[in-house]
Amino acid sequence: DAGITQSPRYKITETGRQVTLMCHQTWSHSYMFWYRQDLGHGLRLIYYSAAADITDKGEVPDGYVVSRSKTENFPLTLESATRSQTSVYFCASSESTWQGRQPQHFGDGTRLSIL
Amino acid sequence: DQQVKQNSPSLSVQEGRISILNCDYTNSMFDYFLWYKKYPAEGPTFLISISSIKDKNEDGRFTVFLNKSAKHLSLHIVPSQPGDSAVYFCAARAGGGADGLTFGKGTHLIIQP
Repeated sequence: DAGITQSPRYKITETGRQVTLMCHQTWSHSYMFWYRQDLGHGLRLIYYSAAADITDKGEVPDGYVVSRSKTENFPLTLESATRSQTSVYFCASSESTWQGRQPQHFGDGTRLSIL
Repeated sequence: DQQVKQNSPSLSVQEGRISILNCDYTNSMFDYFLWYKKYPAEGPTFLISISSIKDKNEDGRFTVFLNKSAKHLSLHIVPSQPGDSAVYFCAARAGGGADGLTFGKGTHLIIQP
C-alpha cells in the first residue's frame, strides 16, 4: 500500500546513545520533513529535504542529523540522545507541481523516550 | 515568538451544530494555510487548505475562511459529527523555498451527542 511509514513506532533508549528513526515514502515525493511534537508546542520543524542529497535546518535542528541518499528515505539520527529529545517524531512528505507545493502527508509517528 | 496561534485549547460542540475553530497568525510572508486533524496515536491528516489569494475554500462539510487584513483564519464544520472529535491543527507556509510548515498548538474539538 502506498504511503509514508515510520519505524520504529516506539523506542526507549538511554541518554548518550545514538538512535536513528526511519522514514520511508512510496509516492516519490520530492520534499520530506521531520517534526517533533511536544506538549504545549504543537509540531516543530527539525529538518527538511527538497530532494535527494539536499537537506536544510528547520526551527529546532540542534542534536539531530539527517541524510537523504535516496528519494524515498529520510532517516533522522540523534547522535547522543538527551532527555530533552523525548518526544513524538513525525515524518512528512509533499510534492511540488505547477500549482505550487501540495499539502504535506504525515506518517503515524515514532514515540521516543530517553531515560 | 509564536507565529501561528490557536487560542482555544479545547472546544465542545453538540452533534449536528456548527463547529468553528479559529487561528491567528503574525507572519505576513505566509501565503498558504492548512488545517490538519489528528487522532491519538496517529499522524496529522490533511483536511483543507487555502491560498492567500482566496478568502474562502469549501470541501464538503468543511469550509475555511481567510481574513488577510486581520491575519485570521477559521475552520467551519457543518454539521458536526462524533467522528470529528479530534485535535485540529492550523498550519501556515511562507512563500518560496522548500521550508516546512509552522503549526499552532492545536484545538481539541469534542463533539457531544
